[in-house]
Amino acid sequence: NAGVTQTPKFRVLKTGQSMTLLCAQDMNHEYMYWYRQDPGMGLRLIHYSVGEGTTAKGEVPDGYNVSRLKKQNFLLGLESAAPSQTSVYFCASSFLMGGGPWDEQYFGPGTRLTVT
Amino acid sequence: AQSVTQLDSQVPVFEEAPVELRCNYSSSVSVYLFWYVQYPNQGLQLLLKYLSGSTLVESINGFEAEFNKSQTSFHLRKPSVHISDTAEYFCAVSGGSYIPTFGRGTSLIVHP
Repeated sequence: NAGVTQTPKFRVLKTGQSMTLLCAQDMNHEYMYWYRQDPGMGLRLIHYSVGEGTTAKGEVPDGYNVSRLKKQNFLLGLESAAPSQTSVYFCASSFLMGGGPWDEQYFGPGTRLTVT
Repeated sequence: AQSVTQLDSQVPVFEEAPVELRCNYSSSVSVYLFWYVQYPNQGLQLLLKYLSGSTLVESINGFEAEFNKSQTSFHLRKPSVHISDTAEYFCAVSGGSYIPTFGRGTSLIVHP
């Protein structure tokens, strides 16, 4: 199993450009998450999904949109990138059907995004 | 609501010395507690977790954490650290919400 994969690994954008980050998991997990990690701020939840076709806002959703059209994929979009969105983005997944909050999360390797 | 406080942002230590990384949580329901480790330029991976039963949980690489309900703590310890333990460590709690809450992380820096 590949686990959780993220595409791309690195990206540089100019202010105002748009892009989509792709997360894929092959563990049949129900929940998927997008986080951003900034120095001294830990992990902050952007959006999450509790199943195919569903999405919900996390702690810092402004400036981002998400979609989960297929159970194994969770896309994070930036419509108009800003320098404040320079960060490392992590995708995670968890819970098989019947699982619960006792299940751990599985993380992807991250995408390093720089907005100039 | 649930929250996690990692009391130290950075912990420097010499190789083969003991270390403790502190984590305190708050929650109004029963909790499940996790420690994740993030090595440089990698994603997070589970180090250990507490679900129920024995309050002392161990990882395969010598770390252990003790769940203390009265003090609402889940401190991580290792009796003798190695250079390879240099990493960022995150404490997390989940319970009533299926969405875990993470602490801000503690950077463990092991010096030779």
